[in-house]
Amino acid sequence: GAVVSQHPSRVICKSGTSVKIECRSLDFQATTMFWYRQFPKQSLMLMATSNEGSKATYEQGVEKDKFLINHASLTLSTLTVTSAHPEDSSFYICSARGGLLGIHGYTFGSGTRLTVV
Amino acid sequence: KNEVEQSPQNLTAQEGEFITINCSYSVGISALHWLQQHPGGGIVSLFMLSSGKKKHGRLIATINIQEKHSSLHITASHPRDSAVYICAALFQMYSGGGADGLTFGKGTHLIIQP
Repeated sequence: GAVVSQHPSRVICKSGTSVKIECRSLDFQATTMFWYRQFPKQSLMLMATSNEGSKATYEQGVEKDKFLINHASLTLSTLTVTSAHPEDSSFYICSARGGLLGIHGYTFGSGTRLTVV
Repeated sequence: KNEVEQSPQNLTAQEGEFITINCSYSVGISALHWLQQHPGGGIVSLFMLSSGKKKHGRLIATINIQEKHSSLHITASHPRDSAVYICAALFQMYSGGGADGLTFGKGTHLIIQP
């Protein structure tokens, strides 16, 4: 079936540093990937849509210069949190659309818990 | 506006009980997803439905298009079923949902006690 691998699962970084999170579709080509943020006891909040070979589309209120998204290939999208602050601490999840599930199917990564100290 | 409502928000049950989680939505959909999020945070896609019923192991998902309602059932529940279950709808007409097309319910926090 369609599998999305997200790495790392946990990361702790110091304020001011940058952190890169990778999302890979392992057995299918994902022309579109999505990045979400989840606060404790809240539902998923879409941050941006990542399209292979083009610029990401950010949701309202999401700083594109802070959350850099790169979708350089059909199987890899990365989210870089730049100049991280403690308020960026959160759970970040990616998803990819397509694969065996078709255009209506979404496969989610396992998530990355970011802690900024 | 496209909306997804889930109930109950929290559910605690004893091992072996039959569990039902409900999801209702406001307008026509292309597909409805049931997701499972474990305490560690990872999300697993359980089902994608556009009509009828699907079964996988002890999990059953049904959808009634006319009533705009879907249910997730767990038979012979087990403590390892403890998780947050999320309903997400892909609406036919995009209105108020995310650019991914999905509108998420707030989730049902299920605890199965041994």
